[in-house]
Amino acid sequence: AQKVTQAQTEISVVEKEDVTLDCVYETRDTTYYLFWYKQPPSGELVFLIRRNSFDEQNEISGRYSWNFQKSTSSFNFTITASQVVDSAVYFCALSDSTSGTYKYIFGTGTRLKVLA
Amino acid sequence: GAVVSQHPSRVICKSGTSVKIECRSLDFQATTMFWYRQFPKQSLMLMATSNEGSKATYEQGVEKDKFLINHASLTLSTLTVTSAHPEDSSFYICSGVPDRAFGYGYTFGSGTRLTVV
Repeated sequence: AQKVTQAQTEISVVEKEDVTLDCVYETRDTTYYLFWYKQPPSGELVFLIRRNSFDEQNEISGRYSWNFQKSTSSFNFTITASQVVDSAVYFCALSDSTSGTYKYIFGTGTRLKVLA
Repeated sequence: GAVVSQHPSRVICKSGTSVKIECRSLDFQATTMFWYRQFPKQSLMLMATSNEGSKATYEQGVEKDKFLINHASLTLSTLTVTSAHPEDSSFYICSGVPDRAFGYGYTFGSGTRLTVV
């Protein structure tokens, strides 16, 4: 079965702190895709990163970095030197061929509050 | 590229009326569109998958007669909430998938906040 778990429901940090958002996934497929999206208060979903199951190379993009580990089925996301504008709900999502349509399975989201 | 336009962004309707939400892919052909619903402070739940020119596939528990989905062209999918009730108040969001480009990061519309009074 497909499942995405974001155990952290809400995190509060003070500006300039680093923060890591956890994501654990379950799938029986060998080919799958993982994503992180940001949802600010306005509601739209902002694409942050995509990883496929064959690419375990971790990535850094500005203040964002991602740690993909197949051995632990985790795809964690770190924001370095957080800013107030980072305050949003962050969703981890899994897409595989189980359903035949590669639909997204979203985690429950982590609400990040960055305090000035 | 890969822009999805969703309208309206907000709608308030009376109980018992129907509301149509449009989702357009502006610069690509979306052979598949997904429709999600999000209740306050909850995750996005897939309602249905629509493929151009065929009937939509609904997730378990979603009433197909209440949530009518039409995907008549490669650039337009619509969701009609029929006989809306207050419990249908939610945030509805669509995403489009270019032809067989699964896994490449779907583009989402900006969402529609529906309030039924």
